[in-house]
Amino acid sequence: GESVGLHLPTLSVQEGDNSIINCAYSNSASDYFIWYKQESGKGPQFIIDIRSNMDKRQGQRVTVLLNKTVKHLSLQIAATQPGDSAVYFCAERGGKLIFGQGTELSVKP
Amino acid sequence: DAGVTQSPTHLIKTRGQHVTLRCSPISGHKSVSWYQQVLGQGPQFIFQYYEKEERGRGNFPDRFSARQFPNYSSEPNVNALLLGDSALYLCASSLSLGGRENQPQHFGDGTRLSIL
Repeated sequence: GESVGLHLPTLSVQEGDNSIINCAYSNSASDYFIWYKQESGKGPQFIIDIRSNMDKRQGQRVTVLLNKTVKHLSLQIAATQPGDSAVYFCAERGGKLIFGQGTELSVKP
Repeated sequence: DAGVTQSPTHLIKTRGQHVTLRCSPISGHKSVSWYQQVLGQGPQFIFQYYEKEERGRGNFPDRFSARQFPNYSSEPNVNALLLGDSALYLCASSLSLGGRENQPQHFGDGTRLSIL
């Protein structure tokens, strides 16, 4: 039969606002986490990573927070721009790289 | 600097055929991993190659295999294609195998495989 793609969680923000994208992971042994941005027709693009011995890491306009107690990861994007519109994936590495479902970010001008 | 390059960008096959994809990693990267991404989902790990050997494998049947060459490029093969093999196939490279030296994997733009 015909298969239908899953509906991704979506986040819609106004240009200039801050965005927060959340991710829950399952493997408590994972020691390395990465956020990727995937635009339509492109492969995932590396944004920022964090090791399990840290709880926060900042990049240019992006911050990743890691809460190992509740196995939660978040990506904060400051002053969101239209070019930030994409699907965002968190990935954990406890051996092989495991991707989450993804969140579609839409930025309104 | 060239990133990860994959070819072809699109491919159409019929059920039962086989397919070979190609990937050139970033210069200096020795590890190549392959992922399958179906519409609306995150990439699923197929296998990883390092120093020409398979170093890890996901939940994919033996129809999926690959090689890594001395220049670290990689070619996966999929035999006896099924309709469900229709997906975007992504190649990712990293400097090393991972482990304690955690390094990000960098992706190519993929090969879109359609099975009719």
